[in-house]
Amino acid sequence: GAGVSQTPSNKVTEKGKYVELRCDPISGHTALYWYRQSLGQGPEFLIYFQGTGAADDSGLPNDRFFAVRPEGSVSTLKIQRTERGDSAVYLCASSVSGRAGEQYFGPGTRLTVT
Amino acid sequence: GNSVTQMEGPVTLSEEAFLTINCTYTATGYPSLFWYVQYPGEGLQLLLKATKADDKGSNKGFEATYRKETTSFHLEKGSVQVSDSAVYFCALSDRNDYKLSFGAGTTVTVRA
Repeated sequence: GAGVSQTPSNKVTEKGKYVELRCDPISGHTALYWYRQSLGQGPEFLIYFQGTGAADDSGLPNDRFFAVRPEGSVSTLKIQRTERGDSAVYLCASSVSGRAGEQYFGPGTRLTVT
Repeated sequence: GNSVTQMEGPVTLSEEAFLTINCTYTATGYPSLFWYVQYPGEGLQLLLKATKADDKGSNKGFEATYRKETTSFHLEKGSVQVSDSAVYFCALSDRNDYKLSFGAGTTVTVRA
């Protein structure tokens, strides 16, 4: 079946602009996660959704970052007033149970802020 | 807090060589431990896992044993192939948690 998909695969934006990154989880997966992977580093947790609600957003670095999942399926990560330090690969994952280790990852969106 | 430290790369090997990637962790309680792999152009995939001390995870010829006494989860494969070229990430989660904490990753290149 279809895996987790993310769009766009690449996004280049200018400093100060607003961007939206989209994640389509595997059908039926109620849990959804966003991670950020900077160059040469492992992924870092940003936010976890169970259904429509954000169960844990403790990894969001500041209030410029926001994520929604209004219908409990597709999620959008929104970044306002982008900074060069936001450049990274943004990964989305989904799972049935919410348990770590049962997360299926998407291919990521590479964000470059110039 | 939780943290994972893994062997720095890159690692370059010849086909059929033995591979070890060291991983140690710091965590409260009794974490679950994982190895994820990222093949070129693909997303992260779970390679193997272990959920309690002395458990051995295995998959595709790779093995790792959960060593509580040394807080380690080293990845091994006895005979690597060119197709094993990838970035390998060690990770953990608290037993009652859903968040993965990753190491920095180790790039492995296997030459024919």
